[in-house]
Amino acid sequence: GAVVSQHPSRVICKSGTSVKIECRSLDFQATTMFWYRQFPKQSLMLMATSNEGSKATYEQGVEKDKFLINHASLTLSTLTVTSAHPEDSSFYICSAREPSGGQNTGELFFGEGSRLTVL
Amino acid sequence: GNSVTQMEGPVTLSEEAFLTINCTYTATGYPSLFWYVQYPGEGLQLLLKATKADDKGSNKGFEATYRKETTSFHLEKGSVQVSDSAVYFCALINTGGGNKLTFGTGTQLKVEL
Repeated sequence: GAVVSQHPSRVICKSGTSVKIECRSLDFQATTMFWYRQFPKQSLMLMATSNEGSKATYEQGVEKDKFLINHASLTLSTLTVTSAHPEDSSFYICSAREPSGGQNTGELFFGEGSRLTVL
Repeated sequence: GNSVTQMEGPVTLSEEAFLTINCTYTATGYPSLFWYVQYPGEGLQLLLKATKADDKGSNKGFEATYRKETTSFHLEKGSVQVSDSAVYFCALINTGGGNKLTFGTGTQLKVEL
């Protein structure tokens, strides 16, 4: 099946620095990618929808200047956590929709997730 | 709005035991329902789905039936194996929800010999 890969899988950074997480679709082109955040013992919360060649669509309550999303190619979307603080520590997961998946099928392919720890 | 409620884990079972992970949902209209599985160190994978009431999704020995009257989509397996140890997420997409998945909190399953 289709593969989506995230990098890095784990990152530790100091407060105030910026961290970039990459999401790649390895064997298909994805016009749309999704970024989720998961807190311990909570569900995955959709942060934003990343559209190739255009601005990302952010969910209510997500700071777009804090979480910069770039979808510059059909196989790569990046999430940059700017000026990270300890409360940004979380598990970030991306997903990509394979073009043949059709509308409203839910057949997304997910990355392995990236665990961010901000000291 | 849409929401999904799952039983809290971890659920610990012996090999060959019967598994049930409860999932109930709240949604307007007629959502499609899904179970995803996340094995250690891997991304989420679609396990099974059902798109309308009374549909039964099945895969790898797992089953779940879309029950509109009880707004439930409980996951079951008759005989679990150690290799089934993972986190299981119930989710829904509502046709009026902008094509976005709403997830439950996930239930960790541990199967022991």
